[in-house]
Amino acid sequence: GAGVSQSPSNKVTEKGKDVELRCDPISGHTALYWYRQSLGQGLEFLIYFQGNSAPDKSGLPSDRFSAERTGGSVSTLTIQRTQQEDSAVYLCASSLRRGGNGYTFGSGTRLTVV
Amino acid sequence: AQTVTQSQPEMSVQEAETVTLSCTYDTSESDYYLFWYKQPPSRQMILVIRQEAYKQQNATENRFSVNFQKAAKSFSLKISDSQLGDAAMYFCAYRSAGLSSGAGSYQLTFGKGTKLSVIP
Repeated sequence: GAGVSQSPSNKVTEKGKDVELRCDPISGHTALYWYRQSLGQGLEFLIYFQGNSAPDKSGLPSDRFSAERTGGSVSTLTIQRTQQEDSAVYLCASSLRRGGNGYTFGSGTRLTVV
Repeated sequence: AQTVTQSQPEMSVQEAETVTLSCTYDTSESDYYLFWYKQPPSRQMILVIRQEAYKQQNATENRFSVNFQKAAKSFSLKISDSQLGDAAMYFCAYRSAGLSSGAGSYQLTFGKGTKLSVIP
């Protein structure tokens, strides 16, 4: 696609429920990144995918968070048993290669846990 | 670990005037990249300008320019002839060039942002 697409744009969920956030990167971009942006904070790295290599999950805050990338394209970030502190904007970005000259970000998913 | 600090949570500027946003960073690496991103209410992070640490010349993109002081670890953004559309959150970000940090070089480390308001 022309840009990085994320869905849903907004998600309200009850505490304890599972949620799935989707990211569709730019076609041909081999690198994909998830970041979390909490209120009043900068962006926190979560996970990185590069081609078919094993992802770097070092930024995931707990084992309730997981992500996968199917066919080297679309990625899904799953949060199980959501907590109120998970409320944030989740941003996805992609680039042509590892690191790249800059990332192209999507518009994010605003997750609110009530 | 690298850190990025933006000491101005909020700034304002009159339309058509010039404003400078500050950013400092801490690193032990010699080669790296620095970025300024703009985040309007649409939430999408937009790359404004990029600087390679090994280049002494300051990057410029139209009305946007940087003052890169490597020894002082400072990377400020100057916006000239400010326009209403410049109103947004601005984030400074750091990325290693990977020479010493290996696989971690792809991560962007962000500051906490500066909210810029443009007064008509």
